[in-house]
Amino acid sequence: GAGVSQSPRYKVAKRGQDVALRCDPISGHVSLFWYQQALGQGPEFLTYFQNEAQLDKSGLPSDRFFAERPEGSVSTLKIQRTQQEDSAVYLCASSLGQGAVYEQYFGPGTRLTVT
Amino acid sequence: RKEVEQDPGPFNVPEGATVAFNCTYSNSASQSFFWYRQDCRKEPKLLMSVYSSGNEDGRFTAQLNRASQYISLLIRDSKLSDSATYLCVVNSHRDDKIIFGKGTRLHILP
Repeated sequence: GAGVSQSPRYKVAKRGQDVALRCDPISGHVSLFWYQQALGQGPEFLTYFQNEAQLDKSGLPSDRFFAERPEGSVSTLKIQRTQQEDSAVYLCASSLGQGAVYEQYFGPGTRLTVT
Repeated sequence: RKEVEQDPGPFNVPEGATVAFNCTYSNSASQSFFWYRQDCRKEPKLLMSVYSSGNEDGRFTAQLNRASQYISLLIRDSKLSDSATYLCVVNSHRDDKIIFGKGTRLHILP
C-alpha cells in the first residue's frame, strides 16, 4: 500500500519567504509527527497530532513555525519569514496507534534550503 | 547529560565481523525503545523494537539495561548492506516525548 508521502521533495526559499510543507500519512494512521533533521544530526521532534488535535508542539523552534491537521489526515507545516537556520530536511511520520508507543513510518522528507 | 546519547562513529568494520553499539538515555521514565536505520539521504526505517527481555531478529540482537539506562544493538556476520546510520529512539509514555539520538554511523568494509 501507499506509504507516507511528502511534498515538495525539495524547496528553495529566499530568506523572509513563507513556505508550506505537506504530509500525506498512511490512511487510517491516528498519529502524525513532524521532525526537523539537520545535516549529520538525528531527527528533532517538532510537533505531534492525534487525529486533528495537536497534542504537543513543544519542539517548534519559534512562533514562525505552525502546523495543522484540520481533518485528521493530511498535515501542513508552515514556516513564516524563513531564516537560513531553517535549512534542514523536514520529516513527517505517521503511526497506527496513539502516542509514542508504536512504530513510526516516515515519509521521504522535504529538503528546505533557505538562501 | 543529553537525553539520548550515541557514539557518532564511524565504526569501520570488516565484512563478516560482529559489531555492537550502545545508546544511553537520561529519563528513567522512558518506556519504549527502538532502533531505526537511516541510509544516506533517505528516511529512517524501523529496524527493531527493544523489549525488556531483549530480542533477536536474524543477525540483529537488541538489549535493554534499565538499571544502567542504556540499550544496545549487536549485528553479527555483518554485510556490506548493513552500512548505514543507526538511530536510537526513546519514548516516555508519561509525556509522550520522543527523543532520537544523533545516530551511529556504520561502514562495513569489503
